[in-house]
Amino acid sequence: IQLTQSPSSLSASVGDRVTITCRASQGISSYLAWYQHKPGKAPKLLIYAASTLQSGVPSRFSGSGSGTDFTLTISSLQPEDFATYYCQQLNSYPATFGGGTKVEIK
Amino acid sequence: QVQLVESGGGVVQPGGSLRLSCAASGFTFSSFGMHWVRLAPGKGLEWVAFIRYDGSNKYYADSVKGRFTISRDNSKNTLYLQMNSLRAEDTALYYCAKDPLSTSTRDKPAQLGYWGQGTLVTVSS
Repeated sequence: IQLTQSPSSLSASVGDRVTITCRASQGISSYLAWYQHKPGKAPKLLIYAASTLQSGVPSRFSGSGSGTDFTLTISSLQPEDFATYYCQQLNSYPATFGGGTKVEIK
Repeated sequence: QVQLVESGGGVVQPGGSLRLSCAASGFTFSSFGMHWVRLAPGKGLEWVAFIRYDGSNKYYADSVKGRFTISRDNSKNTLYLQMNSLRAEDTALYYCAKDPLSTSTRDKPAQLGYWGQGTLVTVSS
């Protein structure tokens, strides 16, 4: 299963609403997770089952979608949110990741 | 608390071999499946391999199938990745990660809530 993320990068300001999309090459129900990755750190799980917020993750992060189209939304971008975001399908092995979306400071 | 510490990375020539280790602590290692994920320079995350809690099932990415072998020693709380026939494109930071479901026999992957800090593998002549 291939995952296509868009955009591959974006520039945004603190306080902006940011939306990242992930499209699967075939239906995966709600078997999708989102991660945040910063250089030199381990990836951090944000959301799983497409819309369930991982414990401890701020509520400004939300996920939606099912089937083939999914969205990660950051409602009000904070300075610590500048990072690369990945989706991962959990429907079947191999557990592929999307290509990533780098969120940069405008 | 859950701790995963990778080791064994280094510089190796194309065609060579390397074995990575991931020492686990803070949880009952023998009850959880484990994954390897890698991040190549300038590229995105790539899932590499999974092993069930008891070692009975293993899955691999197509890019490493037949060259890499995932294994575990539950008596030593350690996960391994034996990498043979290494190529330049295997150059990456390799992370181990813990499956969230205890003694799971499901055939679907699950979200990865705990990761190590990674060990760097460089394949170069």
